[in-house]
Amino acid sequence: NAGVTQTPKFQVLKTGQSMTLQCAQDMNHEYMSWYRQDPGMGLRLIHYSVGAGITDQGEVPNGYNVSRSTTEDFPLRLLSAAPSQTSVYFCASSYRGGGGTDTQYFGPGTRLTVL
Amino acid sequence: KQEVTQIPAALSVPEGENLVLNCSFTDSAIYNLQWFRQDPGKGLTSLLLIQSSQREQTSGRLNASLDKSSGRSTLYIAASQPGDSATYLCAVRTGANSKLTFGKGITLSVRP
Repeated sequence: NAGVTQTPKFQVLKTGQSMTLQCAQDMNHEYMSWYRQDPGMGLRLIHYSVGAGITDQGEVPNGYNVSRSTTEDFPLRLLSAAPSQTSVYFCASSYRGGGGTDTQYFGPGTRLTVL
Repeated sequence: KQEVTQIPAALSVPEGENLVLNCSFTDSAIYNLQWFRQDPGKGLTSLLLIQSSQREQTSGRLNASLDKSSGRSTLYIAASQPGDSATYLCAVRTGANSKLTFGKGITLSVRP
């Protein structure tokens, strides 16, 4: 299994540009989520999904969109990039949405800089 | 609102020392608690997951304990090695399908 994969690893955008961060998992996990990690702020949840066709907002959803058309893929779209969105983005997945024995698996991250 | 605290933010120890990393949380009604390791520039790797009904979990030189009533968890690392140098994060989940709330992590440096 490849686990959780994310592309690209690095990205530089100009203010106002849009882009999609890709996330895929091959473990047949139902639960997928996007976090951003900023110095001094820790990991914060952006959006999450408990299954194909179902998404919901996390703590910091503004400026981001998600969709879940398949179990495997959970892309994160930046609609109009702003410097405040400069961060490291992590995708994560787990089986069955975090039941008592479910382990959360993380991708390697995408480092995004918005100029 | 659940809050997770990890103190201190950084720790430096000599190789071979046994050490304890602390994690505290404000809402004791948790579903499970996970400890993660993060190496610089990398993603998070799960180390141990403790269910709400468990008191501890062990994996190799690592032992994690959970005391829900006091809102605390500890990660014990035996015979520390330079390769253990990393940031260690704990995260709690307060219910099935609920989000993980993370602490800000403890950056551990093990000196040769």
